Amino acid sequence: DAKTTQPTSMDCAEGRAANLPCNHSTISGNEYVYWYRQIHSQGPQYIIHGLKNNETNEMASLIITEDRKSSTLILPHATLRDTAVYYCIVEGSSNTGKLIFGQGTTLQVKP
Amino acid sequence: KAGVTQTPRYLIKTRGQQVTLSCSPISGHRSVSWYQQTPGQGLQFLFEYFSETQRNKGNFPGRFSGRQFSNSRSEMNVSTLELGDSALYLCASSLRAGANYGYTFGSGTRLTVV
Repeated sequence: DAKTTQPTSMDCAEGRAANLPCNHSTISGNEYVYWYRQIHSQGPQYIIHGLKNNETNEMASLIITEDRKSSTLILPHATLRDTAVYYCIVEGSSNTGKLIFGQGTTLQVKP
Repeated sequence: KAGVTQTPRYLIKTRGQQVTLSCSPISGHRSVSWYQQTPGQGLQFLFEYFSETQRNKGNFPGRFSGRQFSNSRSEMNVSTLELGDSALYLCASSLRAGANYGYTFGSGTRLTVV
């Protein structure tokens, strides 16, 4: 079973920030939080990951709460091309390639 | 650098046949994982290979098998195809499996069983 809980769907206006929440209340100390997204009929695309500190890259920011039980992916200026299914995944250091995907959040960016 | 390459992109097979799908990982990546994606079940892990050894296997019947070659390229095989095997098959590569390495996915092979 997936170790994360995400809302099924969200809408966001183009140009505004999209904030996608994820609950991972059973996360253990050595598990990372990863975010991927999948645009229709393509392979999932890596976005960002983190352990305990907030992270930022050219695509997004990841905010992890101090207790690490939840996180938020922030797309600062959403565009129509950001419309996709976003997956939040936790993975431990001993994992051997097995990512457990939940149902993800379908983000619809609207003009 | 070149991404993860999966061939073929589309495939139509008849029930009872077998099929082989190929995945070429990013140069230098030694871990290759395979996933099946269907509308009903979502993305499900099939198996993972590292240095030609299968290290992890998902909950799929023995009709699903795979292997990895010395150059890290991987193939998966499905024998005695069933209609329910129709899916998008994705492979992902990583320097090595485990946290903090990240995975790069290919565009997938769309298999239709008729």
